[in-house]
Amino acid sequence: SQTIHQWPATLVQPVGSPLSLECTVEGTSNPNLYWYRQAAGRGLQLLFYSIGIDQISSEVPQNLSASRPQDRQFILSSKKLLLSDSGFYLCAWSAFRRGNQPQHFGDGTRLSIL
Amino acid sequence: GENVEQHPSTLSVQEGDSAVIKCTYSDSASNYFPWYKQELGKGPQLIIDIRSNVGEKKDQRIAVTLNKTAKHFSLHITETQPEDSAVYFCAASVTSGTYKYIFGTGTRLKVLA
Repeated sequence: SQTIHQWPATLVQPVGSPLSLECTVEGTSNPNLYWYRQAAGRGLQLLFYSIGIDQISSEVPQNLSASRPQDRQFILSSKKLLLSDSGFYLCAWSAFRRGNQPQHFGDGTRLSIL
Repeated sequence: GENVEQHPSTLSVQEGDSAVIKCTYSDSASNYFPWYKQELGKGPQLIIDIRSNVGEKKDQRIAVTLNKTAKHFSLHITETQPEDSAVYFCAASVTSGTYKYIFGTGTRLKVLA
């Protein structure tokens, strides 16, 4: 069966520090991968999605970036965090280039910026 | 752009009663509609989904209905239990082969014992 792992589960970082959040999927090949941010009590905002190692699309202008160093690994990064980057970050995967398939989410990383 | 509106934002029901959450989508080409349940501190979990060639789907106490003409779809939970308390999200597929979904803003369901 497929599983998705995100780490760390919680993170407290000072303003201006760098960020690296990691997501790994097991049990499937060539997944579509997604990063979302969820503000407190709010919906899901799509940040990045990737349908292949060299294909990453950014949905919202921001100081975050995403990379996919391996087929089943998706990393969310920032060089300098802002207070507004606080939130709950979720990684998700769906079946390779197949429409009408559910996305499966990890348990998220709660990021607090001080 | 594409949009999904979800109502209500909060819903309180007595244990054993039914709960209904409604969503409206804007993209007439959307053809896949999943529903997710998110418990505190966890990621959303898929609970049921429906494709555009079906008007209704049931899974035990959970059902989803779809009205493509009106671009509405709804989640129905019968015989609610305290463990149904969570935030529920609807979503609609985005066309053009992007494999993306637009999510509603969520409904916080409280089942009162």
